Amino acid sequence: DGGITQSPKYLFRKEGQNVTLSCEQNLNHDAMYWYRQDPGQGLRLIYYSQIVNDFQKGDIAEGYSVSREKKESFPLTVTSAQKNPTAFYLCASSSGGTGNTIYFGEGSWLTVV
Amino acid sequence: GIQVEQSPPDLILQEGANSTLRCNFSDSVNNLQWFHQNPWGQLINLFYIPSGTKQNGRLSATTVATERYSLLYISSSQTTDSGVYFCAVSNTGKLIFGQGTTLQVKP
Repeated sequence: DGGITQSPKYLFRKEGQNVTLSCEQNLNHDAMYWYRQDPGQGLRLIYYSQIVNDFQKGDIAEGYSVSREKKESFPLTVTSAQKNPTAFYLCASSSGGTGNTIYFGEGSWLTVV
Repeated sequence: GIQVEQSPPDLILQEGANSTLRCNFSDSVNNLQWFHQNPWGQLINLFYIPSGTKQNGRLSATTVATERYSLLYISSSQTTDSGVYFCAVSNTGKLIFGQGTTLQVKP
């Protein structure tokens, strides 16, 4: 099936540990994105990448890191520097450019214990 | 950056009723999309509509770009329409989301 696959669906992390969320797409999309959603809130952009080996910070990049070594993969690392990491994380992709539909994965729930 | 405001924040309907959701934005945009987030968190794209009017079954949307607003119409609502509806806009490639409208449709 074509789409965006995020894993794991649920993740628990101890304070002080880094954790990496996986995002893979087989839609042949150039652009990929990571958003964070807190309960009852909208989505906020963490990082985005419009092409392989290039990415830009979004509005809340502090405490996060990404890589884009392959077109189909855009993993997000939540580092210990992120002060409040418990949230719902959504990965998305689009064909690129400013006027294209964006598609989302099913999301990953991260809880820091 | 662009500001996006959605109204109303919450809406409760009886099954079969119609509703209108609004999205105001503060700058010109070349991308506007409406999404539905189901109770499990999945975001489904409803419309890509930077201008004009589109219809898909019981849903339709209109964007008046010159006046910087978009409307999402839901007719003959069903319980499966419940969830959060988001508007997202962009003029730079970064989609900016509103805070959403939470819709509850009662049987």
